[in-house]
Amino acid sequence: DQQVKQNSPSLSVQEGRISILNCDYTNSMFDYFLWYKKYPAEGPTFLISISSIKDKNEDGRFTVFLNKSAKHLSLHIVPSQPGDSAVYFCAASAYNQGGKLIFGQGTELSVKP
Amino acid sequence: DAMVIQNPRYQVTQFGKPVTLSCSQTLNHNVMYWYQQKSSQAPKLLFHYYDKDFNNEADTPDNFQSRRPNTSFCFLDIRSPGLGDAAMYLCATSRRLSGTGDEKLFFGSGTQLSVL
Repeated sequence: DQQVKQNSPSLSVQEGRISILNCDYTNSMFDYFLWYKKYPAEGPTFLISISSIKDKNEDGRFTVFLNKSAKHLSLHIVPSQPGDSAVYFCAASAYNQGGKLIFGQGTELSVKP
Repeated sequence: DAMVIQNPRYQVTQFGKPVTLSCSQTLNHNVMYWYQQKSSQAPKLLFHYYDKDFNNEADTPDNFQSRRPNTSFCFLDIRSPGLGDAAMYLCATSRRLSGTGDEKLFFGSGTQLSVL
């Protein structure tokens, strides 16, 4: 039973355009959501997070949107740059369920010059 | 100035031969985690240490053990590796338990384990 799903294994975007990465979850108890970015031969690094009491969080070119009723979140990157090419993992946790971070399978983003 | 260091980067072992993966951290974080990630799958938590307290995930096979001799070091022991244990093993740390507000995990680069 996969509680966090990223249904698109890969995404290709032209430099300067918007990248939208999607994530769906099934556990309504999740109260914190995070995005991690992973380059080849490196470990994942934290990118941006959002609490369940918010519907949007922005940090520079990166914005995360949360739709609790749809159990869906998305990461927007505007404008996309070739250096953004990486695997992006969505993750979620529920404080009253031990806080364990549950990851999605990842989406590989390729930004073409 | 690497903060979470995993050694080795690549490890090859034989079927059934015990293997140990190591992780060290310079962040002085209380919590250390081991994740297993198979190709194109989500990282899966195996267990974590909060200080000296060990917490095993219910579905982690008995074949996997861990040791944390001090704050800085944590080891993953695979007693009898099978072909299905070939994967990337990621070590991570955090100050508090993940899920406590916006507590972030800091990951090492991982050890890619091959089982022949």
